[in-house]
Amino acid sequence: AQTVTQSQPEMSVQEAETVTLSCTYDTSESDYYLFWYKQPPSRQMILVIRQEAYKQQNATENRFSVNFQKAAKSFSLKISDSQLGDAAMYFCACMVYSTDKLIFGTGTRLQVFP
Amino acid sequence: EAQVTQNPRYLITVTGKKLTVTCSQNMNHEYMSWYRQDPGLGLRQIYYSMNVEVTDKGDVPEGYKVSRKEKRNFPLILESPSPNQTSLYFCASSLDRIYNEQFFGPGTRLTVL
Repeated sequence: AQTVTQSQPEMSVQEAETVTLSCTYDTSESDYYLFWYKQPPSRQMILVIRQEAYKQQNATENRFSVNFQKAAKSFSLKISDSQLGDAAMYFCACMVYSTDKLIFGTGTRLQVFP
Repeated sequence: EAQVTQNPRYLITVTGKKLTVTCSQNMNHEYMSWYRQDPGLGLRQIYYSMNVEVTDKGDVPEGYKVSRKEKRNFPLILESPSPNQTSLYFCASSLDRIYNEQFFGPGTRLTVL
């Protein structure tokens, strides 16, 4: 069974600074996908970034990038130049291709201070 | 506007009173799914559907039913709700397989007394 662990219940960052959110996962499968979702106070779930396990290059979306360490089963999210609008819950998730099930971590609440 | 809609957005009910939460998407997506979100537990998948008339259990299916008679609709049915089903529920859809971006509905806050 696949599991996703987010060990940081809460994180904080100063506006314009950089913050890294941690995520580790466990699966015995080789074909899987990893995601980071953002949930602002509006509760809407928004896809931030996606990484295919077979791709060695780390995914990047504007100020958001990941550090994908396949051997260590680690998938951290780096937010650069943090903005007040980045304040939200962030969920890491893993989908194994053979199961079509999406497993979420417990989330990290990010606060951004001016 | 491409979207996933859920109704109702908020619901307070009593134990044992059957209820249905509707979910509809207008993007012609094949894949649809239901999740529940609980504090400290993240989101957990309840049921999912790869296509019309094809549904399968997620990680927490007990106490729930779903149906997929039309491509656009995927209602969640609680035949006999209990207080432990008090939660925030999300419906989501994606183009085909789940690794495509999932579009989430706005959520339904359910309280079972």
